[in-house]
Amino acid sequence: SQQGEEDPQALSIQEGENATMNCSYKTSINNLQWYRQNSGRGLVHLILIRSNEREKHSGRLRVTLDTSKKSSSLLITASRAADTASYFCATPTGGGNKLTFGTGTQLKVEL
Amino acid sequence: DGGITQSPKYLFRKEGQNVTLSCEQNLNHDAMYWYRQDPGQGLRLIYYSQIVNDFQKGDIAEGYSVSREKKESFPLTVTSAQKNPTAFYLCASSIVGNSGANVLTFGAGSRLTVL
Repeated sequence: SQQGEEDPQALSIQEGENATMNCSYKTSINNLQWYRQNSGRGLVHLILIRSNEREKHSGRLRVTLDTSKKSSSLLITASRAADTASYFCATPTGGGNKLTFGTGTQLKVEL
Repeated sequence: DGGITQSPKYLFRKEGQNVTLSCEQNLNHDAMYWYRQDPGQGLRLIYYSQIVNDFQKGDIAEGYSVSREKKESFPLTVTSAQKNPTAFYLCASSIVGNSGANVLTFGAGSRLTVL
């Protein structure tokens, strides 16, 4: 079963605009991760935010976590065509021994 | 360069045949994982292993088998019992952290098509 659900399923924006993706999850967690997947490739880890953090930045990425609402958001600022990819949130399950991934948001950044 | 190598990248198989997908890592990670991805969908966990000679079923283990005889290797066999094996298979590895914050490193994937 999917622990996380991303919203929207697909997002199309112009280069230079900001892109926001949301993730909702079901059970209590101590951290949440975001990954990126280029078409037909493996996933790449972007950022991890712990349950005692509300916001975290990495370059053009900004992640927020609201444990009371069981939700997280990923903001990509000043998007580029190279940001075109699918983005997944992932949460630890099974006592933290495994990661369960959401359904993903497919982002397309057009020139 | 350290990383995870999956092979083959593309594989075609006839119905009723078993096929084994290779996954090798030189990151010295204790944990390894196999995920399945169907078009436009998220990843679903098939099997995972936190230590040599031990592994656990994930959410969709039926029709699959694994072994973990060496730390570096975690091959996945897709058996003829798997009803719908056509998919993209992803192998990953991680250190085993003490706070449940296991960051996964992924291979490039293997695409299996059943003819």
